[in-house]
Amino acid sequence: SYVLTQPPSVSVAPGMTATITCEGDNIGSNSVHWYQRRPGQAPVLVMFYDDDRPSGIPERFSGSNSFNTATLTISRVEAGDEADYWCQVWVTTRHPPEVVFGGGTRLTVL
Amino acid sequence: EVQLVESGGNLVQPGRSLRLSCEASGFTFEDYAMHWVRLVPGKGLEWVAGITWNSDDTGYADSVKGRFIISRDNAKRSLYLQMISLRVEDVALYYCVKAARPESETSGYANDAFHMWGQGTVVTVSS
Repeated sequence: SYVLTQPPSVSVAPGMTATITCEGDNIGSNSVHWYQRRPGQAPVLVMFYDDDRPSGIPERFSGSNSFNTATLTISRVEAGDEADYWCQVWVTTRHPPEVVFGGGTRLTVL
Repeated sequence: EVQLVESGGNLVQPGRSLRLSCEASGFTFEDYAMHWVRLVPGKGLEWVAGITWNSDDTGYADSVKGRFIISRDNAKRSLYLQMISLRVEDVALYYCVKAARPESETSGYANDAFHMWGQGTVVTVSS
């Protein structure tokens, strides 16, 4: 089955840039979506179709996807960005299609 | 404002059944595919099931196939998840989720992002 690999944790100082990766075999051929979940809250879609920001998501959030790695980049990190982040794809080569989530990355703001 | 309100979570014994419900408001419910996604303690997010706008197609994770049934009632703006033969590994926070784009743009429940999430309802399976 298809596997997405994320680093378990990323730490960054306020004001710096956080980079969260999501590795998968030829992931660049899939559309990647990213979700943020702050403690005790519902998940929020922060990036979809690789690099498209939903309404209400700050421009500090950006995404990219190429070859075997998709990346969520958070510029000028704030304390409120501290959360768990997951990448996700649909595997449509299977029938029926299946959803794959990465293992999740805990972002800590130092 | 989009709102998704789940209910029906409970503590049940292994092998028993449970039915989750989700009431939607703030958007044209029948225009969107809908999903159930669960947050498994210590493990992360897992897609459970999805359904097209008119219920003509559904999909399930392998882990729940044959035990869970997703359904919807567009007149009541509601989504459901019937769960039977519950197992300890089904313990999770279950979210009702709206797809990102109208189904007229995606043709089916698959291949779209999970846009709006409810607050979730907790299912605990224990003897």
